[in-house]
Amino acid sequence: DTGVSQDPRHKITKRGQNVTFRCDPISEHNRLYWYRQTLGQGPEFLTYFQNEAQLEKSRLLSDRFSAERPKGSFSTLEIQRTEQGDSAMYLCASSLGGSWSNTGELFFGEGSRLTVL
Amino acid sequence: EDQVTQSPEALRLQEGESSSLNCSYTVSGLRGLFWYRQDPGKGPEFLFTLYSAGEEKEKERLKATLTKKESFLHITAPKPEDSATYLCAVQARGATNKLIFGTGTLLAVQP
Repeated sequence: DTGVSQDPRHKITKRGQNVTFRCDPISEHNRLYWYRQTLGQGPEFLTYFQNEAQLEKSRLLSDRFSAERPKGSFSTLEIQRTEQGDSAMYLCASSLGGSWSNTGELFFGEGSRLTVL
Repeated sequence: EDQVTQSPEALRLQEGESSSLNCSYTVSGLRGLFWYRQDPGKGPEFLFTLYSAGEEKEKERLKATLTKKESFLHITAPKPEDSATYLCAVQARGATNKLIFGTGTLLAVQP
């Protein structure tokens, strides 16, 4: 399967613990995105990487959230000191783009579902 | 503030019963409007991009259209496998790559 891969698919944690999600994008894609989706809502943008550079972050991304894409390939999203409000599906997406073309045609993974008890 | 509103929230159709889903948007300069399909427990799957008013795109039983204030996703003679949540998203002009999604329309097509 050459699609976007996310791990783990499900994570249950206690409030206050740290969690980390990994995303492996489609190999030739230089753009990588993280979104968060709660039940009955559309995805909300969190952050965007072009290659290894984090170029855009949402105001939703508090100091407890950090994302990296160290070599321009896979990415990690870490949430420190989790809160119950962090419970959501964390979606990773990738795309191939030069300038502004096709920047909305994203390939999403199946998501990592986080439950904070 | 850039915003996307989708209606109806849910729609139940009989197989073969055509209908339309609506996406109204407010954005400070539209770069593109996008339709996605999302199946339960899965990530969204890209369907269409529309860039300017009057543009139309088609794929199988789906046709997307765009005006200056809204987009429609027309579903012709739907089948049960078309059942899913349909999401609309916009991207604003400027130095941003984020998509602003609506809350989606949950479509159920009964045989």
